[in-house]
Amino acid sequence: DQQVKQNSPSLSVQEGRISILNCDYTNSMFDYFLWYKKYPAEGPTFLISISSIKDKNEDGRFTVFLNKSAKHLSLHIVPSQPGDSAVYFCAASPILQGGSEKLVFGKGTKLTVNP
Amino acid sequence: DTEVTQTPKHLVMGMTNKKSLKCEQHMGHRAMYWYKQKAKKPPELMFVYSYEKLSINESVPSRFSPECPNSSLLNLHLHALQPEDSALYLCASSQDERLAGGTGELFFGEGSRLTVL
Repeated sequence: DQQVKQNSPSLSVQEGRISILNCDYTNSMFDYFLWYKKYPAEGPTFLISISSIKDKNEDGRFTVFLNKSAKHLSLHIVPSQPGDSAVYFCAASPILQGGSEKLVFGKGTKLTVNP
Repeated sequence: DTEVTQTPKHLVMGMTNKKSLKCEQHMGHRAMYWYKQKAKKPPELMFVYSYEKLSINESVPSRFSPECPNSSLLNLHLHALQPEDSALYLCASSQDERLAGGTGELFFGEGSRLTVL
């Protein structure tokens, strides 16, 4: 049973437009959410996170929105650039305390930004 | 079998000890990763092995030495560590997303909790 779902395996957008990547979760104990970005042949690297006390976190062109009642989060990239083309993973865990909780990852969404 | 197995689950070592963390997967994945996770922080990438070759080293100190003996195994050799190296060390694997049908989906082990005294 998937606790973190990324229902779109792929997404294609035009350069300069907004990319919206979606993620749904089922475990109501999740309180901390992260997005990872992965280029081919490279390791996933941390991109941005949000805790449940917030509904929005912004870092440059990247914004993550959290809707706890809907158990839904999304990553917005504005404006999208060709270098953003990668696989994006959503991950969730209970609030990290002592680093002992295992992150649960979604299957990823492959974003392609066309020039 | 969709598991990534890490041993040991817990390790306590002194600063002069030499120890190793082990990671094993039998999913045919050709990419394997080591992550370090400190308290209240997200995992940070340390090393990436692709097709049994080290492809990424995220400027990790040489007291951490990775090894990939074969496509199913990944080791992390530890020597002369510092107390600040105490953390949860996570191994992960994925199929190469450049291959047909490869999604790059990540599979993580449970981690090895390392304490350096």
